[in-house]
Amino acid sequence: GESVGLHLPTLSVQEGDNSIINCAYSNSASDYFIWYKQESGKGPQFIIDIRSNMDKRQGQRVTVLLNKTVKHLSLQIAATQPGDSAVYFCAEITGIQFYFGTGTSLTVIP
Amino acid sequence: ETGVTQTPRHLVMGMTNKKSLKCEQHLGHNAMYWYKQSAKKPLELMFVYNFKEQTENNSVPSRFSPECPNSSHLFLHLHTLQPEDSALYLCASSPRLGNTGELFFGEGSRLTVL
Repeated sequence: GESVGLHLPTLSVQEGDNSIINCAYSNSASDYFIWYKQESGKGPQFIIDIRSNMDKRQGQRVTVLLNKTVKHLSLQIAATQPGDSAVYFCAEITGIQFYFGTGTSLTVIP
Repeated sequence: ETGVTQTPRHLVMGMTNKKSLKCEQHLGHNAMYWYKQSAKKPLELMFVYNFKEQTENNSVPSRFSPECPNSSHLFLHLHTLQPEDSALYLCASSPRLGNTGELFFGEGSRLTVL
């Protein structure tokens, strides 16, 4: 089966610093990846996505990097704010199947 | 507001009770999903419906019974549950099956089985 994991279960960053959250995936045939943010008591929300024919995609304060050689995905959050505190998890999509990671809990220290 | 509404948000039930979770999406999507989210575990896919037809039953115990009367509504009927079924149950929708875009999630129904 698929294995989507994250390197760290928790991450604490100072407000204003940049955050980097990592994700490893196992299926080299996966062609679509999504990062989700889940705040306490809420459902997951889409942050940014990237297709396998790209290495990098930027959004507002967020950047996703895809390294297909080592099957690694990362989410970078610039100038982290208290509102960024949440659990972040990646999703690897192969065909019609979504495989989710366990999540990294990001805490922003004021 | 994601356009996917789940009720109730919280539910406490005994092992002999029968209850239902409801999901409604206002996005005009054709695919709907039930996921189970337990602490420190990845989201577990339970059921998938595409144009009201069930396309996936991910080895879910029969004490969970889904119902999809139309493309906008999805139910999860619960009966004789076990304490280990306590979890957050998330409903999601997408325009269609496949890697054509994101899943839109509801806020979830937090279920506690006593």
